Amino acid sequence: KNQVEQSPQSLIILEGKNCTLQCNYTVSPFSNLRWYKQDTGRGPVSLTIMTFSENTKSNGRYTATLDADTKQSSLHITASQLSDSASYICVVSRGGADGLTFGKGTHLIIQP
Amino acid sequence: IAGITQAPTSQILAAGRRMTLRCTQDMRHNAMYWYRQDLGLGLRLIHYSNTAGTTGKGEVPDGYSVSRANTDDFPLTLASAVPSQTSVYFCASRPSWSDTQYFGPGTRLTVL
Repeated sequence: KNQVEQSPQSLIILEGKNCTLQCNYTVSPFSNLRWYKQDTGRGPVSLTIMTFSENTKSNGRYTATLDADTKQSSLHITASQLSDSASYICVVSRGGADGLTFGKGTHLIIQP
Repeated sequence: IAGITQAPTSQILAAGRRMTLRCTQDMRHNAMYWYRQDLGLGLRLIHYSNTAGTTGKGEVPDGYSVSRANTDDFPLTLASAVPSQTSVYFCASRPSWSDTQYFGPGTRLTVL
């Protein structure tokens, strides 16, 4: 069964600290993996997209990694800011219009 | 450019009533999607459309119908609402040259 598991379910850290969110998947075949950020009351917004051959990709203070052999990805946030408070959703694509499998997300809270 | 808009923002509906959620995009994206997001379950695909005139069923299509008369609009209809359809509904669109989906702001629907 195609599944995407994210951990932790929720996380609280102090402003300025770093954190890492995890995503494990069993989706097959694999096309790509995305991390989305969803602010409270808003729709998800794409942060990064990674294909099979990519190990790491950065978008500002966000760095995503992918290990296609172990089917694991991580999202590292450096020097967190209050605006990083959001849910982060891992999405794995098999390709095709209905080929996305969504994780349930990690709810991140940055405290001042 | 508005991007992708949804209406209404929120709605309280009596069970058994008919309801249409509206979704409009001005980006000329070929593909459009409807998701529901429930606490603890993440985003689940209801219906999708690869191009105007075509539609397909997603993971949870029962009780919902869609139409795609033109490129810009993709309404979702609940023929006879039930309390289990209480959820936040997101519309998304995707250009033909990318896998990235762009999400609308969502509609919060409560069925009593």
